[in-house]
Amino acid sequence: AQTVTQSQPEMSVQEAETVTLSCTYDTSENNYYLFWYKQPPSRQMILVIRQEAYKQQNATENRFSVNFQKAAKSFSLKISDSQLGDTAMYFCAFMKPEYGNKLVFGAGTILRVKS
Amino acid sequence: DVKVTQSSRYLVKRTGEKVFLECVQDMDHENMFWYRQDPGLGLRLIYFSYDVKMKEKGDIPEGYSVSREKKERFSLILESASTNQTSMYLCASSSPHRGRAKMTFGAGSRLTVL
Repeated sequence: AQTVTQSQPEMSVQEAETVTLSCTYDTSENNYYLFWYKQPPSRQMILVIRQEAYKQQNATENRFSVNFQKAAKSFSLKISDSQLGDTAMYFCAFMKPEYGNKLVFGAGTILRVKS
Repeated sequence: DVKVTQSSRYLVKRTGEKVFLECVQDMDHENMFWYRQDPGLGLRLIYFSYDVKMKEKGDIPEGYSVSREKKERFSLILESASTNQTSMYLCASSSPHRGRAKMTFGAGSRLTVL
């Protein structure tokens, strides 16, 4: 079974600075997807970024980018120019393509952006 | 954008009551899911469904059942609520197509069992 580990329960960053959230996973699969989801205080889960394991290029979405290290099974999220609206719980998730396309989540990291 | 709607944001129930949590999606997705979210544990899968009337157990199905009579609706049922089922419940849906692999969530239902 796949597992996802987020080792940082809480982090904080000053506005406009850069922060990196860590995620490691365990799988014997070669083809899979990785995701970062954001859950602000409103509770609505929002997809931040997605990475296909067969793509070597790291995914980027505006101020959000990932460092995907397949051999090390590491998938960290970098947030540049942090904004107050980035304050949220961030979840790393793994998906093996199969019927159902279930996501396996890490425990989450609370990120607080300070002004 | 896909919209996933959960019928109740907050519920308070008593031990032993039967509880229904309803979820509706509007993008004709085949896959639907119920997760439970607890601090320090992240999201854990309770049940999922990949087609009408089809259901599969997730990682923590004990004490729960589900119903999917129509493609757009997926219900989570607590037959006899217990205090350890106090939690946040998240519904989600997704397309089965790998190239568009993405899960969209509802806003969550916070259930308190007294």
